[in-house]
Formats: sequence, C-alpha cells, structure tokens
Amino acid sequence: QVQLKESGPGLVQPSQTLSLTCTVSGFSLTSYSVHWVRQHSGKSLEWMGRMWSDGDTSYNSAFTSRLSISRDTSKSQVFLKMNSLQTEDTGTYYCARRDFDFWGPGTMVTVSS
Amino acid sequence: DIQMTQSPSSLPASLGDRVTITCRASQDIGNYLRWFQQKPGKSPRLMIYGATNLAAGVPSRFSGSRSGSDYSLTINSLESEDMAIYYCLQHNEYHTFGAGTKLELK
Repeated sequence: QVQLKESGPGLVQPSQTLSLTCTVSGFSLTSYSVHWVRQHSGKSLEWMGRMWSDGDTSYNSAFTSRLSISRDTSKSQVFLKMNSLQTEDTGTYYCARRDFDFWGPGTMVTVSS
Repeated sequence: DIQMTQSPSSLPASLGDRVTITCRASQDIGNYLRWFQQKPGKSPRLMIYGATNLAAGVPSRFSGSRSGSDYSLTINSLESEDMAIYYCLQHNEYHTFGAGTKLELK
C-alpha cells in the first residue's frame, strides 16, 4: 500500500541547515510527484515545494532562496534541505503524494540553541 | 500570489447540524480546489478534490460546491467524528492553503 514517512534530526540549532528525508513505498517517484508541507504548532499548513516525477522542482517563493528539494529514485526517497534556520521554522514537516491523497505522519522539527 | 480567505475561523455546532465552510480565492483558480480534514496529532486527510468531488472513503454527508470565486465545504447531519480543523487548498498556481476552520461542539 501507499506509504510516506518523514525522518529528520528533531532539533536543529539556529542558523544551521535542516535535512529531512521522505521515504515512500507503494508507488514510484518517477510516476508521482511529492510535496513538502510545513505546519507551525496550532497554525495552518504551508506548502513549501514539490519534486516532480520528471525530477524538476517547484518552490514556494517564501522559501526559494534557502530551500532545496532533491531525490534518490533508487531508494524511493525525497530530500528537503533548508538553510539559515530560525526559531520561526519550528514546526511539523510533512511529505505528501501528488494529489495530497496520501501523507506521511509528519516529523517535528524544533529550532533552538 | 493567490490568497485563500477562509471563513469562519471557528464554527461551534451541534450534532445533526448542517454546516458550511467557505474559501474565497483572490484570483481565478477554476476548480483546482481541495478540502482537508485534520484532527489533533494527525496528518491532513483529503476530503474533496476538484472543488466538488468526494475523495475515496469520505462519507456522503460531505459535499463541495463553487459559486464564482467562493468555494464551500458542507457537512450535512454533523457527527462527533467530524469535529476537526478543515483547510482548503488551491493548486491552480503553486499551492496555497486557507487559514483553517475549527469545527467544534457547541
């Protein structure tokens, strides 16, 4: 069955780089795109960017300068890297399949020294 | 950038009620509108796609509609399991979520 699962460090220091992995199963990254979505605690959802099935990427302009999304199709993994982290980047990070019909459980990231 | 104005932010309701949540798009998004339900500690769940189409496994008491730039999610005969936060999402141009509507028992 279709599954997505995020993994990451949990705690990141301010000004450092966040690296997250979305590991998928039940579908191919060359057939479906994958989104990254962020949610601050108690707040709304924020679309961050997308890895298209052809390997192209799209980003929310609010993150363009510090966000990078890549993938390893052999491992069925999509990666998020975001630099210059600040406390405002604390939240839960989700990956979701193309139509947002399947989501990972999310991974909590805290930016703190 | 396309803005999605969602209302109300909070919606107290009683079991059995019919409730409606609305999102207004700042630009034309056609029918590129989805609705999600999110319960505490859980990932969002797709409820409606294409503005009016019920996602797989979603009860028929949920429905979506469109009037111009206004998109609505209606729940008929509210049940306790429907208490959650609901979000709209436009995906015509990049993606923008609404601010959310917290549906709670009156």
